[in-house]
Formats: sequence, C-alpha cells, structure tokens
Amino acid sequence: EDKVVQSPLSLVVHEGDTVTLNCSYEVTNFRSLLWYKQEKKAPTFLFMLTSSGIEKKSGRLSSILDKKELFSILNITATQTGDSAVYLCAVDPVRPSRNAGNMLTFGGGTRLMVKP
Amino acid sequence: EAQVTQNPRYLITVTGKKLTVTCSQNMNHEYMSWYRQDPGLGLRQIYYSMNVEVTDKGDVPEGYKVSRKEKRNFPLILESPSPNQTSLYFCASSSQEWGGRGRELFFGEGSRLTVL
Repeated sequence: EDKVVQSPLSLVVHEGDTVTLNCSYEVTNFRSLLWYKQEKKAPTFLFMLTSSGIEKKSGRLSSILDKKELFSILNITATQTGDSAVYLCAVDPVRPSRNAGNMLTFGGGTRLMVKP
Repeated sequence: EAQVTQNPRYLITVTGKKLTVTCSQNMNHEYMSWYRQDPGLGLRQIYYSMNVEVTDKGDVPEGYKVSRKEKRNFPLILESPSPNQTSLYFCASSSQEWGGRGRELFFGEGSRLTVL
C-alpha cells in the first residue's frame, strides 16, 4: 500500500524565517511527487518532481526530491503571513495499466502559521 | 474560466437524511474523483471515475455512492449519512494525458458537511 508521511504536523514561525517541510514516501513504481498549498479552500498546485536532485523553484519556494532516500523537501525562504497554509505532499505512482485509476496518495499535510 | 464547482459549500443535516453533493467541471476532463479531508489524515479518496459510466472505489468508499452519467458531472451521494461522515469533501478532476505537469488534479472549493 502506498504511504506518504509529512512532518512536522504543524509549524509556527515569524515573518522572515526560513522553513523546511518534509515528505517521505513508500510507493511501488514511483512516477512523480506533487506539492500543493491549501489555504482556506481548495488545494492549489505548487510543484511536480520526477527526478532526483533537480530543484524546482518558484519565487521564495523551492523543492527537491531524493528518490534514493524516498523523500522530498519544500523550502520557503523569507516567509510572509500569506504563506500560512496547509502544505500537502502527494505521490503519483505508475499503475500496471494506463487506465488504472486511483491517482494521487496524499500525506496528512503540514500546517504552517507565519506570525507577523 | 476553467473550474470545478461543488454544491452545496456548507451543509448541516441529520443522521439518515439522504443528501447529494454535486460536482461539475468545464475542462472536458475524463478523470474525476471525490476526496474527504479530516484533521491529520490528509485527503483520502472516496470514489473515482475514469470516464462516463466508469466508476471505482477509492480508499474509503463505505457509506457513499457516485454516478457518472455525463462527462462533466460526478455527484456524491450519501444515502443514509452518519456522524462519522462529517468532513470536508473535495471533488477533483484531471486530464488523462501523460506528460507535462503530469496528472495534476484540479480541485473544487470544498463542501463542509456536518451530520448531527
């Protein structure tokens, strides 16, 4: 059974701090790992990672994947109050059949609160 | 505007009173899915559909039904709701194309259901 574990469960920092969120996974036939940000409503896509060691970057957010150690990290530098959200990690495995459903397996999320 | 629309957004009901949460997408996506989100458990898949008239169970299907009579709609039916179905529900859709951003899920705004 595919499994995704995120840590920490929650985190409180002050504006300007740098944070690192962790995601470890166990999955058969890994295809990709995705990060989502969820504020008060629907999760929104941040990154998709497929290859080890290649950093994806978007502004103050960056993420990297280690397929040997089976984890990914999401870094946020110079945090702002608008970064407060739940960050979700999910894995997308290769299924035996192209049409085999049940796509992403999600972790429990990390709740980040950034105080002014 | 590309979107996934769920209704109702908030609902308080009583045990045993049948209810339906509607979901509609305007992106011509083949894949649609329902998730429930509970504190600390992340997003867990209830049912998914690969295309019209093709549905299958996810990880937590008990107590739920779905149908996919049209490509754009994927309603979630609770025939006899119970308090343990109190949760935040998300509908999501995705193209089945491989490559690019992968099988990115587009989420609806969520439906918060309370069963008394």
